[in-house]
Amino acid sequence: DTEVTQTPKHLVMGMTNKKSLKCEQHMGHRAMYWYKQKAKKPPELMFVYSYEKLSINESVPSRFSPECPNSSLLNLHLHALQPEDSALYLCASSQDSGTGGADTQYFGPGTRLTVL
Amino acid sequence: QQQVKQSPQSLIVQKGGISIINCAYENTAFDYFPWYQQFPGKGPALLIAIRPDVSEKKEGRFTISFNKSAKQFSLHIMDSQPGDSATYFCAASMWDGANNLFFGTGTRLTVIP
Repeated sequence: DTEVTQTPKHLVMGMTNKKSLKCEQHMGHRAMYWYKQKAKKPPELMFVYSYEKLSINESVPSRFSPECPNSSLLNLHLHALQPEDSALYLCASSQDSGTGGADTQYFGPGTRLTVL
Repeated sequence: QQQVKQSPQSLIVQKGGISIINCAYENTAFDYFPWYQQFPGKGPALLIAIRPDVSEKKEGRFTISFNKSAKQFSLHIMDSQPGDSATYFCAASMWDGANNLFFGTGTRLTVIP
């Protein structure tokens, strides 16, 4: 099973709202990722958690706040977003064994976020 | 700078034809090259992947050709079907303390009946 699940599928929020995106995987993977994808563009990396510790933050604005409660769960807390933050937010996971080079990242279906 | 260059940007192929998408990279530290297929409103799904120690990998109608010396790799879709119509991303990955994945710009494939 290579399934990464994400909730909600769609989210509409105002610029003053606080909301959270959730991601879950049960593949025993130790690395989890948040990506942002705009229409007709490739995914852009936002954050990487490795062994439940934040290892990469690609200079993402502080209105995006990631959290990794345990090795299976990843959240993205949203606050005071701007209309230009509207995008498809993707979660991914990988084994991240650290041996034998890079390995496959498996993506979830994404959350379509619209900021009004 | 774009770590992985992908072409063409869009591709229209007749049903039953061969679809070919090309990618090139510069960084020789890359050691894993996956291809992802993405349908509108969905997440990218792994299609096929290759490591640089082999020159070709085939899975069903999908084949990756890899040229290490030229730092190029390509996806061939044989007997293309309308259901293959999607956006395809090549990618290159390396381990440098984290699993870094770099995407190409994507190719929008349309297979016409």
